[in-house]
Amino acid sequence: AQSVTQPDIHITVSEGASLELRCNYSYGATPYLFWYVQSPGQGLQLLLKYFSGDTLVQGIKGFEAEFKRSQSSFNLRKPSVHWSDAAEYFCAVRTTGTASKLTFGTGTRLQVTL
Amino acid sequence: NAGVTQTPKFRILKIGQSMTLQCTQDMNHNYMYWYRQDPGMGLKLIYYSVGAGITDKGEVPNGYNVSRSTTEDFPLRLELAAPSQTSVYFCASRREETVYEQYFGPGTRLTVT
Repeated sequence: AQSVTQPDIHITVSEGASLELRCNYSYGATPYLFWYVQSPGQGLQLLLKYFSGDTLVQGIKGFEAEFKRSQSSFNLRKPSVHWSDAAEYFCAVRTTGTASKLTFGTGTRLQVTL
Repeated sequence: NAGVTQTPKFRILKIGQSMTLQCTQDMNHNYMYWYRQDPGMGLKLIYYSVGAGITDKGEVPNGYNVSRSTTEDFPLRLELAAPSQTSVYFCASRREETVYEQYFGPGTRLTVT
């Protein structure tokens, strides 16, 4: 069965510092991968997605992610974090079968210090 | 477009009570989903629908029921509420022909005491 692991429950970075959030997936074929962000009290918003092609994908809000098949990873990065990036971030993989459901990781909570 | 809307935003239920969480989308999406989010657990799929009149169970369907009489609406029914159903509930939708990204509503925070 498909699954994703986000090994970091909580990360704190200083404003202006770079960020990398880790995501590892388990999937037999080429996965469809997503990163979502959840601001406090809000629903989830799609940051970016990977289906095929270029392994470095650009998303909204200055985020990017790199798909590495050899490491089964899809890490999210941002060169310079802003205080407004403080939120919870979820990695997800599309599951096979009907309805193409998503399986989510447990999330990483990002705190940004000024 | 309003996107995916959910009502109510907050609700407190007593054990054994019932309620319906409403979800409506105005994007003409065929697929709709209900998730629950518990702290540190990510999102778990409760039920989903691939179109009006068609629903199916997800990972954690026990204690819930759904219906899909129209494309726009996908209500989630809780019968005999239990403390274990205290959670934040999210509704999501997606178009059949897009590349699988789902659009989420703002959520309903439910407490059962």
